[in-house]
Amino acid sequence: DAGVIQSPRHEVTEMGQEVTLRCKPISGHDYLFWYRQTMMRGLELLIYFNNNVPIDDSGMPEDRFSAKMPNASFSTLKIQPSEPRDSAVYFCASSSQGGVNQPQHFGDGTRLSIL
Amino acid sequence: AQSVTQPDIHITVSEGASLELRCNYSYGATPYLFWYVQSPGQGLQLLLKYFSGDTLVQGIKGFEAEFKRSQSSFNLRKPSVHWSDAAEYFCAFGGDAGNMLTFGGGTRLMVKP
Repeated sequence: DAGVIQSPRHEVTEMGQEVTLRCKPISGHDYLFWYRQTMMRGLELLIYFNNNVPIDDSGMPEDRFSAKMPNASFSTLKIQPSEPRDSAVYFCASSSQGGVNQPQHFGDGTRLSIL
Repeated sequence: AQSVTQPDIHITVSEGASLELRCNYSYGATPYLFWYVQSPGQGLQLLLKYFSGDTLVQGIKGFEAEFKRSQSSFNLRKPSVHWSDAAEYFCAFGGDAGNMLTFGGGTRLMVKP
């Protein structure tokens, strides 16, 4: 079975540009999570969805960040305008049925560099 | 408040030696505990999980972890480390915060030949 698929794997762009990260969760998984990983702050949960509905976005840094899940097989994380401090690895993860006892399956991440 | 701590940022062991990575949690009830491994350039892969029952949990790649309530710990162990085990290891904790997991800061494992 295909795992969580993220694109692009790498993104380099200039400050001020819009960045869109994409995620395809595992088929049948009802929960989707977006994380950000940096050396300074480790792994941080940004937002998660259940059945395409955002449940908790308290980890989203500021209004420049937005996430959508238009259907069960696709989600996007947008940063507009981007800033150098947004440089990080962004991970998408999905899980079935929800509940904290369900393992999360991670994609390989998008390494984002804002110049 | 619930939290999870990995006291060791870096650990270096020789190939073939035993390994123990520490994980401590703070929570009033029995938590859900996980260990994940992250190889360079990749996402996190689940090694094992503990929910209840037997406190010694077996995982993939020859890893095991033991839940010790009295010490609020969930340490990861492997009897003989292979060079391919070099990676970053994350302990994660689930309590009453809905569906969210809290991750420790990670321990980077280096393996000497």
